Amino acid sequence: GNSVTQTEGPVTLSEEAFLTINCTYTATGYPSLFWYVQYPGEGLQLLLKATKADDKGSNKGFEATYRKETTSFHLEKGSVQVSDSAVYFCALSDQAGGYNKLIFGAGTRLAVHP
Amino acid sequence: DGGITQSPKYLFRKEGQNVTLSCEQNLNHDAMYWYRQDPGQGLRLIYYSQIVNDFQKGDIAEGYSVSREKKESFPLTVTSAQKNPTAFYLCASSMTVLAKNIQYFGAGTRLSVL
Repeated sequence: GNSVTQTEGPVTLSEEAFLTINCTYTATGYPSLFWYVQYPGEGLQLLLKATKADDKGSNKGFEATYRKETTSFHLEKGSVQVSDSAVYFCALSDQAGGYNKLIFGAGTRLAVHP
Repeated sequence: DGGITQSPKYLFRKEGQNVTLSCEQNLNHDAMYWYRQDPGQGLRLIYYSQIVNDFQKGDIAEGYSVSREKKESFPLTVTSAQKNPTAFYLCASSMTVLAKNIQYFGAGTRLSVL
């Protein structure tokens, strides 16, 4: 079945460091891909998305490119801030069952130190 | 402001008790979803509803029940048959069940067993 694998956390960085969180997927067809962010004690917020191959999603300095040839959707940010500390989830949408089913990775906890 | 409201934020369940988690949305979305999040894991789908008076089981529906009597509301009941209910529960909605529609999440309810 479809699945998502992402960098195992925690990832610890200093402020202004470069961030990469890897995400690879297994899917039939052409799923849409998403990055969600979860701040402590809160629900998930959509960070960015891409709906077809070679699309680049971007938001708040974060970017991810839908790479069909490598089945990847890695999240990057050039300079992280303390306020970016959160758990990041990669997800794909699977419509095989006739509905919008999101399949999530396990999440990657990011801690940014001043 | 449009959004998804979950209540209560924290809930405690006694042995053998049924408890109900509330989810209300004012986004005029047709589709609603319930997910369960366990520590260090991604989200797993419990139930979803495409439209009023219709709902379908997700991957882990055993021990849970739902209703969808109004478009705005999708309450989740955790029954006494759910032997391991301690988790963070997230409600989401999307315009329709089409795969490219973004799912928006509430802030969650944390359920613990006394």
